[in-house]
Amino acid sequence: DAGVTQSPTHLIKTRGQQVTLRCSPKSGHDTVSWYQQALGQGPQFIFQYYEEEERQRGNFPDRFSGHQFPNYSSELNVNALLLGDSALYLCASSLIRDRNPNYGYTFGSGTRLTVV
Amino acid sequence: AQSVAQPEDQVNVAEGNPLTVKCTYSVSGNPYLFWYVQYPNRGLQFLLKYITGDNLVKGSYGFEAEFNKSQTSFHLKKPSALVSDSALYFCAGGGNTNAGKSTFGDGTTLTVKP
Repeated sequence: DAGVTQSPTHLIKTRGQQVTLRCSPKSGHDTVSWYQQALGQGPQFIFQYYEEEERQRGNFPDRFSGHQFPNYSSELNVNALLLGDSALYLCASSLIRDRNPNYGYTFGSGTRLTVV
Repeated sequence: AQSVAQPEDQVNVAEGNPLTVKCTYSVSGNPYLFWYVQYPNRGLQFLLKYITGDNLVKGSYGFEAEFNKSQTSFHLKKPSALVSDSALYFCAGGGNTNAGKSTFGDGTTLTVKP
């Protein structure tokens, strides 16, 4: 049973460019959340998608946008890249109505984005 | 607003000794609290979560956490540390188990020395 898959694993972009990161959730999960983890910090919530709609959003500018497809996979788009956008971007999937105490989010290994 | 704090950047323990990684929270309503572990160049792995019920939560790899409402704490514990437990640990909290956003602490690096 595959876990969360993210692509690409590493990416280098130039300031001002646009980037698209991709995430395939764990089989059976219907909700995808995106987090930004800067070096030496904890992950910060960007937004969450369920039923192809953005359900919740953290304190990130409109340059950050996303999409969820009918197969539950998701994309994170960042426009007009800034040097400060350099970070590890994590995708986490879950089942929105899961009450199982033994499971939380399932995280992917992340995409390391470097903006130069 | 909700927040989670991990007051220690680093915790060092000797193998075989008990370990504690501290976490305090400020979450409105009933808190949902989590612990995750992150190994180098890897995503976060779920250890355990508190939703409601028993204050002592047992999780993966022998870890447990104690929820203390009066002290607003959710410390991670293990009776006997292993060298392989050395990693970065994150506490997270939110207002919902899955449908809400989680707020993460800045992490505590645990080093277990042989």
